[in-house]
Amino acid sequence: AQSVTQLGSHVSVSEGALVLLRCNYSSSVPPYLFWYVQYPNQGLQLLLKYTSAATLVKGINGFEAEFKKSETSFHLTKPSAHMSDAAEYFCAVRGNQGGKLIFGQGTELSVKP
Amino acid sequence: GAVVSQHPSRVICKSGTSVKIECRSLDFQATTMFWYRQFPKQSLMLMATSNEGSKATYEQGVEKDKFLINHASLTLSTLTVTSAHPEDSSFYICSAYTSGVPYEQYFGPGTRLTVT
Repeated sequence: AQSVTQLGSHVSVSEGALVLLRCNYSSSVPPYLFWYVQYPNQGLQLLLKYTSAATLVKGINGFEAEFKKSETSFHLTKPSAHMSDAAEYFCAVRGNQGGKLIFGQGTELSVKP
Repeated sequence: GAVVSQHPSRVICKSGTSVKIECRSLDFQATTMFWYRQFPKQSLMLMATSNEGSKATYEQGVEKDKFLINHASLTLSTLTVTSAHPEDSSFYICSAYTSGVPYEQYFGPGTRLTVT
């Protein structure tokens, strides 16, 4: 069975600092992995996805993530945080059954001026 | 890009009444739609998988008689919360899955349900 674990329910960074949000996965098959962002009272927006092509995946808004099989990790990074990056971030893995996504617990990112 | 809409975005209803939430894929066909529930400061909990023309598949612990799902067409799925109670108050999010390339889920903006 697939699962994801996000380390840290809340991360706080200063504007301009590096953003690092951690995600570890468990999967018995090569995983499809996703990062989503959610702003308050809104749905989810896809930031990026890994589908077994390049291990370094670039997404929208300057975010990227690296798939590391040896570490079963898919951490999300951004070199320089903006105030507008403050939101909830979810890592997800696609399950075996027709597109079903399994979400991590979420990480709230705060950006201090 | 693929757009999924939900209606209404916000609804307040009295305890004991039923509420219907619509989820539409606006520019693509979705043979599968998913319904999620999200409590404040928590992750999304999958409630059910809805396949066009067939009965929904509910996750363990989700009452199928309380949360009625209908997926009558390739662009519309509905969730009806029957005999709503205050504990059903939550944020409900749907997503539509493209059965072809790029095999992605697109999420609706969510519906905030408050039961008084």
